[in-house]
Amino acid sequence: ETGVTQTPRHLVMGMTNKKSLKCEQHLGHNAMYWYKQSAKKPLELMFVYNFKEQTENNSVPSRFSPECPNSSHLFLHLHTLQPEDSALYLCASSQEAGESYEQYFGPGTRLTVT
Amino acid sequence: GQNIDQPTEMTATEGAIVQINCTYQTSGFNGLFWYQQHAGEAPTFLSYNVLDGLEEKGRFSSFLSRSKGYSYLLLKELQMKDSASYLCAVKDSNYQLIWGAGTKLIIKP
Repeated sequence: ETGVTQTPRHLVMGMTNKKSLKCEQHLGHNAMYWYKQSAKKPLELMFVYNFKEQTENNSVPSRFSPECPNSSHLFLHLHTLQPEDSALYLCASSQEAGESYEQYFGPGTRLTVT
Repeated sequence: GQNIDQPTEMTATEGAIVQINCTYQTSGFNGLFWYQQHAGEAPTFLSYNVLDGLEEKGRFSSFLSRSKGYSYLLLKELQMKDSASYLCAVKDSNYQLIWGAGTKLIIKP
């Protein structure tokens, strides 16, 4: 049990669909992150929230829209995705962003865009 | 640009020792992390180095040389369950985590 849960674990969607990924952390952390993991590539940081405020948006296309209603929950809303968006999407949390705290990861959502 | 280099894949024998190297070029340095990721699972934190030297945690040790931009993860008494990818990551001057592509470690009986 990592303390970070993600749903769904697997998602197949067409390019015209709208779906949302959910992440919840039970660790009392104040920072939450979305990462994209593609095969044989480094983890790509997408978004960072610190105390519910978005502090990083690493040039992510607008078809990905994050939402952080409170420090324990993070969503990634998806619409009109492209096949190259197929990847593992990982959520993580840490005590705070901007410091050298380790990050705790969820199991990820395996996304396939058809 | 910022860069983390680590071997793509390594193979080792059960019961042996393996060293996974990581070299980095980043704008500033605020610590280096090693994570383990089993196939289909979440990365899990293994170690953190911010000062030069060796940090030991049971069968796993991590070494850092800031002057050389170099770290290694040493795994002793290898077990089959150690088959996984090992990710090296560095916090730069802005405390942004820069990740390597990971080293896939295959353990053979």
